[in-house]
Amino acid sequence: DAGVTQSPTHLIKTRGQQVTLRCSPKSGHDTVSWYQQALGQGPQFIFQYYEEEERQRGNFPDRFSGHQFPNYSSELNVNALLLGDSALYLCASSLILPDNSPLHFGNGTRLTVT
Amino acid sequence: DAKTTQPNSMESNEEEPVHLPCNHSTISGTDYIHWYRQLPSQGPEYVIHGLTSNVNNRMASLAIAEDRKSSTLILHRATLRDAAVYYCILGYGQNFVFGPGTRLSVLP
Repeated sequence: DAGVTQSPTHLIKTRGQQVTLRCSPKSGHDTVSWYQQALGQGPQFIFQYYEEEERQRGNFPDRFSGHQFPNYSSELNVNALLLGDSALYLCASSLILPDNSPLHFGNGTRLTVT
Repeated sequence: DAKTTQPNSMESNEEEPVHLPCNHSTISGTDYIHWYRQLPSQGPEYVIHGLTSNVNNRMASLAIAEDRKSSTLILHRATLRDAAVYYCILGYGQNFVFGPGTRLSVLP
């Protein structure tokens, strides 16, 4: 049973460009959350998707957007990349219920902005 | 968001128990206490969570103080594979605020 898979594993982009990261949730899960983890820090919540809609959002600008597809997979898009967007981007899947259903994380996409 | 305080780092010897403390004096009545850990080059991994009562699972035990202002994650026999950053998080739902966590080193 495959867990959460993310692609690509590494990515290098130039400042001002746009990037799309992809996530396939654990089988049976219906909810996908995205987190950003800067070097040496804990992950920070970006947003959560359920039923193809953004359900909750953290303190991130509108340059960060997402999408969830009918098969529950998800994409994270970042526009107008800044150097400060360099980080590990983590996808986590879960069940919408119960409310405190554990998150299952992928191993992330390492984004470097030059 | 309610805040947690954890030691920056801890050391343990292999095959000995480890007690990882977490202080959360501003916890609200609906906040669950969640623990995740992150091994090197991997995403975080769920360990355990609880509300008021102590909890046990195959990975660890969670001891929650009676006033809920502190908790302790207990690894009964540390192995080298338990070397990781351990995060104590408060919240209800699934959008978590991760702090810097405790870096646990396990010595052979």
